[in-house]
Amino acid sequence: AQSVTQLGSHVSVSEGALVLLRCNYSSSVPPYLFWYVQYPNQGLQLLLKYTSAATLVKGINGFEAEFKKSETSFHLTKPSAHMSDAAEYFCAVSDNNAGNMLTFGGGTRLMVKP
Amino acid sequence: EPEVTQTPSHQVTQMGQEVILRCVPISNHLYFYWYRQILGQKVEFLVSFYNNEISEKSEIFDDQFSVERPDGSNFTLKIRSTKLEDSAMYFCASRLRQGAYEQYFGPGTRLTVT
Repeated sequence: AQSVTQLGSHVSVSEGALVLLRCNYSSSVPPYLFWYVQYPNQGLQLLLKYTSAATLVKGINGFEAEFKKSETSFHLTKPSAHMSDAAEYFCAVSDNNAGNMLTFGGGTRLMVKP
Repeated sequence: EPEVTQTPSHQVTQMGQEVILRCVPISNHLYFYWYRQILGQKVEFLVSFYNNEISEKSEIFDDQFSVERPDGSNFTLKIRSTKLEDSAMYFCASRLRQGAYEQYFGPGTRLTVT
């Protein structure tokens, strides 16, 4: 069975500061990992994905994430936060069978202070 | 850019009533999913659908739930007799093909059961 843990349900940063959102996963098979962002009253938008190619993955809006197998982590970073980054961020892991269902973490709400 | 659409955006129904939530996946996608998010909780997998049949379902997806692809574009989730605990945001997602692991989500339908 797979699981995802996101440390910190709320993270607050100042505009221009580094964003670091933590994600640890548990999977019995090599995982496929994803970060999604949810803006208020909107659906889930794919930020980036790891599917066994390069371990450092770049996504949209300046975000990137690094897959670290030894730490079972897939933390999301952005060098400089912008006010428009305020949203909820979800880490998810996919199983590799035919269904490829996603298992989500609990989400981290990012707040950006001016 | 193609996107997943869902209707209605908000549905209010009385306990015991049947509801049908509708989704139009991205047109050339082959895999379809329903997830739900109860307020304040994780996004949870309900069911995956491929080649006109269910490929995987969760424990949540009991006999009260059913899915259908009635034509070439729509994908529906039916709840036969709604309960108060079915109140949640329901997300539809689609995926292009085997080997493409990312899922694209619709904006969601907020279901309120009174």
